[in-house]
Amino acid sequence: EPEVTQTPSHQVTQMGQEVILRCVPISNHLYFYWYRQILGQKVEFLVSFYNNEISEKSEIFDDQFSVERPDGSNFTLKIRSTKLEDSAMYFCASKPTGAPNEKLFFGSGTQLSVL
Amino acid sequence: AQSVTQLDSQVPVFEEAPVELRCNYSSSVSVYLFWYVQYPNQGLQLLLKYLSGSTLVKGINGFEAEFNKSQTSFHLRKPSVHISDTAEYFCAVRPLQGAQKLVFGQGTRLTINP
Repeated sequence: EPEVTQTPSHQVTQMGQEVILRCVPISNHLYFYWYRQILGQKVEFLVSFYNNEISEKSEIFDDQFSVERPDGSNFTLKIRSTKLEDSAMYFCASKPTGAPNEKLFFGSGTQLSVL
Repeated sequence: AQSVTQLDSQVPVFEEAPVELRCNYSSSVSVYLFWYVQYPNQGLQLLLKYLSGSTLVKGINGFEAEFNKSQTSFHLRKPSVHISDTAEYFCAVRPLQGAQKLVFGQGTRLTINP
């Protein structure tokens, strides 16, 4: 089965630094998502992206966050100035269409640790 | 808005025993229901989903779930578990219309002991 690929698997950064988390969605998919899971908490929706623009975002996704699809294959999440509370597992996901009954394909996640 | 509650954060079970992982949800609109599984060092994979029709849904790896609208529940069951079922299990919902985001529960860590 095709896979969503995320890199790196682990990232450690200092508070205040910028980080970019990278994802390669499945090639014929058109809808892209970022979710995150803080240790011991629920998996939370961050943002959805379609047709080169954000289609929905959560309250968590403030001005410190941005997403981009720079080259038609990668899908990135940037955190401009990381905070301790940004430490979490970040999951990228994609699906081929916008149908709500369609399954999401998730990557294996990037564990971000902010020190 | 939607919310999902998984009542058990951890469930230890002996191999070949039956298991039930509980999930309750609340929503002001109709929703689709999903169970995802995360094996160690892997991403979330879809186990099964309820869209409409029969309330008993069968998924991969011998799992099934039953949708109970009156109790707003979607409990996951397996009659006989294997060591390989050790994983984190997530219940999730998505509205039939409107917002496309999945709303997840806290997850249940299923540990199978020999």
